[in-house]
Amino acid sequence: AQSVAQPEDQVNVAEGNPLTVKCTYSVSGNPYLFWYVQYPNRGLQFLLKYITGDNLVKGSYGFEAEFNKSQTSFHLKKPSALVSDSALYFCAVRDKAGNMLTFGGGTRLMVKP
Amino acid sequence: KAGVTQTPRYLIKTRGQQVTLSCSPISGHRSVSWYQQTPGQGLQFLFEYFSETQRNKGNFPGRFSGRQFSNSRSEMNVSTLELGDSALYLCASSLVVGVTGGNSPLHFGNGTRLTVT
Repeated sequence: AQSVAQPEDQVNVAEGNPLTVKCTYSVSGNPYLFWYVQYPNRGLQFLLKYITGDNLVKGSYGFEAEFNKSQTSFHLKKPSALVSDSALYFCAVRDKAGNMLTFGGGTRLMVKP
Repeated sequence: KAGVTQTPRYLIKTRGQQVTLSCSPISGHRSVSWYQQTPGQGLQFLFEYFSETQRNKGNFPGRFSGRQFSNSRSEMNVSTLELGDSALYLCASSLVVGVTGGNSPLHFGNGTRLTVT
């Protein structure tokens, strides 16, 4: 069975500093990996995905993610955090057989001015 | 293009009642998935439909059911409501599923918040 782990319930960072939100996964074969963001009282918004190829994926709002096959990780990064980035972030994985998308438990990002 | 629309946005029901939630996917999207979100359990997969057929099902009791219509709109039904069913129910649509569509991102609606008293 596939699974996703987000080891940090919350990440605190000062505005302007770089941020990293961690994600590790377990899946049979090569994965499709996704990051989503959720603002209060809203659904999830797609940020970026990894399919194959370049290990560094760029997405919306200046976010990027680094795929590391040996460590089975897909950490979300941003060079300079904004207060408006404060939200709940979810990592997700789907195997290439097209089975259901499995989400991690979410990480709350708090960016302080 | 309009996004995923879920109705109603808020719902209050009593234990033992049943409820039906509705989801209209993005135009052209044929796959619809449902998730339950709670503070304690996070995002739990309920089911996924494609072309009116259930493709995947999560680990929920039979009180939870769903269906998809020929226009790709979907409904989910919860019968004999329990207090623990209180949650945000999210619907998501995507273009395709399966081997060729596994990398299609899901597009989520804003959810229906169900409160069971």
